[in-house]
Amino acid sequence: DAGVIQSPRHEVTEMGQEVTLRCKPISGHDYLFWYRQTMMRGLELLIYFNNNVPIDDSGMPEDRFSAKMPNASFSTLKIQPSEPRDSAVYFCASSFGADTQYFGPGTRLTVL
Amino acid sequence: KQEVTQIPAALSVPEGENLVLNCSFTDSAIYNLQWFRQDPGKGLTSLLLIQSSQREQTSGRLNASLDKSSGRSTLYIAASQPGDSATYLCAVRGTLGGNNRKLIWGLGTSLAVNP
Repeated sequence: DAGVIQSPRHEVTEMGQEVTLRCKPISGHDYLFWYRQTMMRGLELLIYFNNNVPIDDSGMPEDRFSAKMPNASFSTLKIQPSEPRDSAVYFCASSFGADTQYFGPGTRLTVL
Repeated sequence: KQEVTQIPAALSVPEGENLVLNCSFTDSAIYNLQWFRQDPGKGLTSLLLIQSSQREQTSGRLNASLDKSSGRSTLYIAASQPGDSATYLCAVRGTLGGNNRKLIWGLGTSLAVNP
């Protein structure tokens, strides 16, 4: 298996633009997680899904952030409008039942 | 509210040294604790997972221990190698909710093993 796939790997955009991050989990996994990592705050869970259903979105910072999982093999994290403080590395991870989460390589987002 | 702390934030050691990384948590009601490794510019890789009923887990040169009552875990790395250089993070999963998969993370310890 190719592991968790994220795209794009790097994204540079201007404040106010819409940003869409994409994730393909490992086939057969039933949990999908979106994280944000910054130097100051470390890793923060934004939202996670179980069988495509959002379970906990309490970490989503505000209404500018939204996440969807239309099927078992694809998820998106959208920021609209983006702001400089959204600059971070965004990780997607997936797991199957058990607790071990498998992480993607991350998307480094820079908002100018 | 669960908080996870890792000390030290950074560590530099000569190759071959045995070392210990520390992780502490404020709420002892945990389901499990995990140690991850993160290489620069890459995602995280799970190293060891300790269930709340366990005291330790071992994988190769790595040994992780858990003391719930004191809110502490240690990751022991034996005979360190330059390839061990990375950031090591610990994360705890709470017990609330049957479907709770939320992990609370420490900020990590950045380890440099010098040849």
